[in-house]
Amino acid sequence: DVVLTQTPPTLSATIGQSVSISCRSSQSLLDSDGDTYLNWLLQRPGQSPQLLIYSVSNLESGVPNRFSGSGSETDFTLKISGVEAEDLGVYYCMQATHAPFTFGSGTKLEIK
Amino acid sequence: QVNLLQSGAALVKPGASVKLSCKASGYTFTDYYIHWVKQSHGKSLEWIGYINPNSGYTNYNEKFKSKATLTVDKSTNTAYMELSRLTSEDSATYYCTILGYWGQGVMVTVSS
Repeated sequence: DVVLTQTPPTLSATIGQSVSISCRSSQSLLDSDGDTYLNWLLQRPGQSPQLLIYSVSNLESGVPNRFSGSGSETDFTLKISGVEAEDLGVYYCMQATHAPFTFGSGTKLEIK
Repeated sequence: QVNLLQSGAALVKPGASVKLSCKASGYTFTDYYIHWVKQSHGKSLEWIGYINPNSGYTNYNEKFKSKATLTVDKSTNTAYMELSRLTSEDSATYYCTILGYWGQGVMVTVSS
């Protein structure tokens, strides 16, 4: 199974600060169809996960553009440019290139 | 808008089975695979498998092959997941999702 390693496990940020989360894959997530199925999710406290970014860098509809994704093959990054209070929660990367699909262990974002 | 409405929380005895439902609305039911995801308390996410609502084709995580059975009823736009031979390890919150949208989750507690 593909292992996704997320760092850091926890992140503490002030409002307005920019932060990045890393997700490294144990194998390339480039699919034979040319797409890379690496998504980023946010799970706010007490809520279901929600999709933020799909296929590395595509912003899901309705998601603020302070969120951005980048990377390729095995190294991926989620950046929040100017953290807001509503961004607190646990961020997960998820790969859907290789079955079984797998998730990272999560990065908990706390607001100082 | 898209909505995935899951059945209510379940308390079940060890060794029993439980069937969870996920009623979809706001989109064409057969257009998207429905995935099921497990989240044990305070932990990360595990992909159980998906079902193609159009064909009924399923793809399971090997870990859950003898545990979960995915089905759909196209007449009611509802997906189901049956969990069998329940143990305490199956106590968790289970989500249905089409990846861009997630159900609210259902908590399953296995206890005598």
